[in-house]
Amino acid sequence: GAVVSQHPSRVICKSGTSVKIECRSLDFQATTMFWYRQFPKQSLMLMATSNEGSKATYEQGVEKDKFLINHASLTLSTLTVTSAHPEDSSFYICSARRPRTGGSGYTFGSGTRLTVV
Amino acid sequence: DQQVKQNSPSLSVQEGRISILNCDYTNSMFDYFLWYKKYPAEGPTFLISISSIKDKNEDGRFTVLNKSAKHLSLHIVPSQPGDSAVYFCAANSRLTFGEGTQLTVNP
Repeated sequence: GAVVSQHPSRVICKSGTSVKIECRSLDFQATTMFWYRQFPKQSLMLMATSNEGSKATYEQGVEKDKFLINHASLTLSTLTVTSAHPEDSSFYICSARRPRTGGSGYTFGSGTRLTVV
Repeated sequence: DQQVKQNSPSLSVQEGRISILNCDYTNSMFDYFLWYKKYPAEGPTFLISISSIKDKNEDGRFTVLNKSAKHLSLHIVPSQPGDSAVYFCAANSRLTFGEGTQLTVNP
């Protein structure tokens, strides 16, 4: 089955530094990947849609200069949290959809727990 | 504006009994719905889906019903302790998620 690998699973960083999170589709090509954020006991909120070879599409209220997304290849999208602050601490999850599948074709990474101290 | 709502944050059932998780949505443009199961510190895993034109979809112990206006329900029977997780309802509009319901199945 389709596998999406997300790395790192857990990261602690100092306030003001940047953190990069990688999302890879291991056995299929993904022209589109999605980045979500989940606060404790809350829903997964879509942050942005990552498009291979073009700019990401950000949801309303998400700062594109703070959450940099790069989708340079058909198997890799990265999310960089720049100048991180404690309020950026959250659980970040990526997903990708297998080609020629319907809604059930979304596969999620295992998530990244970011803690900014 | 929460377009997909799961009004029960938690549900506790006894092993072997039926678990019923509910989901309501407000956007009439949604035409495909999915249920995901999520363990702590992991990504969601797909369970079952249903098109808005269908009223029922079954897969083993899992059944999703779509028989009421803008309302879905996921039925798990018989419930097992390993089913204990957070269940999310999502609509296939860039996967708009509900808030999730924590299901606990007691042995």
